[in-house]
Amino acid sequence: GESVGLHLPTLSVQEGDNSIINCAYSNSASDYFIWYKQESGKGPQFIIDIRSNMDKRQGQRVTVLLNKTVKHLSLQIAATQPGDSAVYFCADHPAGGKLQFGAGTQVVVTP
Amino acid sequence: DAGVIQSPRHEVTEMGQEVTLRCKPISGHNSLFWYRQTMMRGLELLIYFNNNVPIDDSGMPEDRFSAKMPNASFSTLKIQPSEPRDSAVYFCASSLTGAGEQYFGPGTRLTVT
Repeated sequence: GESVGLHLPTLSVQEGDNSIINCAYSNSASDYFIWYKQESGKGPQFIIDIRSNMDKRQGQRVTVLLNKTVKHLSLQIAATQPGDSAVYFCADHPAGGKLQFGAGTQVVVTP
Repeated sequence: DAGVIQSPRHEVTEMGQEVTLRCKPISGHNSLFWYRQTMMRGLELLIYFNNNVPIDDSGMPEDRFSAKMPNASFSTLKIQPSEPRDSAVYFCASSLTGAGEQYFGPGTRLTVT
């Protein structure tokens, strides 16, 4: 079946550097994408979303890029902070379907 | 708003016992979702409701699992009888509509011994 997958299971980044988390999706019918952050012991928390009619969206310190040609999604975190350490999930939502979560990427911020 | 509320936060039970997990969605949200999270399988959607009506329960593992939403402010997920392989963190989430941003609760960590 179609699914969302992540390229890197663990990403180690130095405090202050920029982080890039990648995600590949396979469902060409997906028209809505979300990034969630999950800290230890907590539920996933919405970070940013993007619709398929856009290729870039910026939030506070975060940017999501969507490349529909290669079905690739990325989350960029600027000036990574210790509080950014968490598991990051991408999710895609095909029109009329269900939100599908990827496996997640563990981001570890080192001092 | 207090966000999505789940109870209990932790549940330890013996195999064969009935387990009931509870969820109160964010007021005004029309859709409610139940997820299960494990290391092996990640985050799995079990069932979701729209306006208190179950829309898709294809993710429910088997007949031992059942979910209800008697009103807009309350839902339960029941496992009867429970088995050790049901051990996981169960999340409830709600959203304004069936599509779009979902707000997750803190989860219930279930351990079946």
